[in-house]
Amino acid sequence: GAVVSQHPSWVICKSGTSVKIECRSLDFQATTMFWYRQFPKQSLMLMATSNEGSKATYEQGVEKDKFLINHASLTLSTLTVTSAHPEDSSFYICSAHRQGGTDTQYFGPGTRLTVL
Amino acid sequence: AQSVSQHNHHVILSEAASLELGCNYSYGGTVNLFWYVQYPGQHLQLLLKYFSGDPLVKGIKGFEAEFIKSKFSFNLRKPSVQWSDTAEYFCAVTPGYSSASKIIFGSGTRLSIRP
Repeated sequence: GAVVSQHPSWVICKSGTSVKIECRSLDFQATTMFWYRQFPKQSLMLMATSNEGSKATYEQGVEKDKFLINHASLTLSTLTVTSAHPEDSSFYICSAHRQGGTDTQYFGPGTRLTVL
Repeated sequence: AQSVSQHNHHVILSEAASLELGCNYSYGGTVNLFWYVQYPGQHLQLLLKYFSGDPLVKGIKGFEAEFIKSKFSFNLRKPSVQWSDTAEYFCAVTPGYSSASKIIFGSGTRLSIRP
C-alpha cells in the first residue's frame, strides 16, 4: 500500500527557533499534499494545501509567514514553523493525494512538536 | 461553509455489542465521504470511503457505512465490536469529484470497548 512518512516523529525546541518537518510519499507521486494540525483530544484542522511547483494555499486564520510550506518535488513537502512559540506545540500531520487507482489521500504518522 | 458533525463524543460499549456512530455533513453539492480510525499512538487509517454507486459501503475490519443523501448522513456501523476496536473515529468529507480536495474532518468519536 501507499506509505507516507514524516520526519522527525517528534521534536522539542526552544521558543524563537524554527523547526522544519518533512513529509514524503515513499512509493507514489503526490502532486498535492495537505498539512493538518491536531490538538490533544481534538480533530484535525487543515492548515494548508501544498501543490508541487506552486505556492501553498492556506486556510483562513493560518499565518503563511509563520508556517512556510515548500513542495519542491512530487514526493516531498516541508512545513517550517518559524519563530516557534509554546502555543505552536501540537501534532502536525501531512497527507498525500495519490492520483489514479484508488484516488485516496494517505496520511503520515504525524510529528509531535513541543516548544519550550 | 462545509462542515461535518459527529454526534457522539465518547461511546463506551461492551465486547460483542453493536455499534453505530453518527455523522452528518452540510454541503449541497457532490461529496466524497470517509471514515478514518486512529488507534492509540498510531496514525490515521482509512476505514472506508464512498465516492458513488452503492450507498452501503463495506470497509476493513467488518465496518460498514451507509450514505443517505436525503439525510446528509454517513453513519458507521459494526454488528459486533471487539476490544481492539478501541480508537478514535473520524468522519470526513471532500467536496467535489476528487479526493484531491481538502478533507474536512468531524470532531471525532472516541470509542472505548470494555473487555
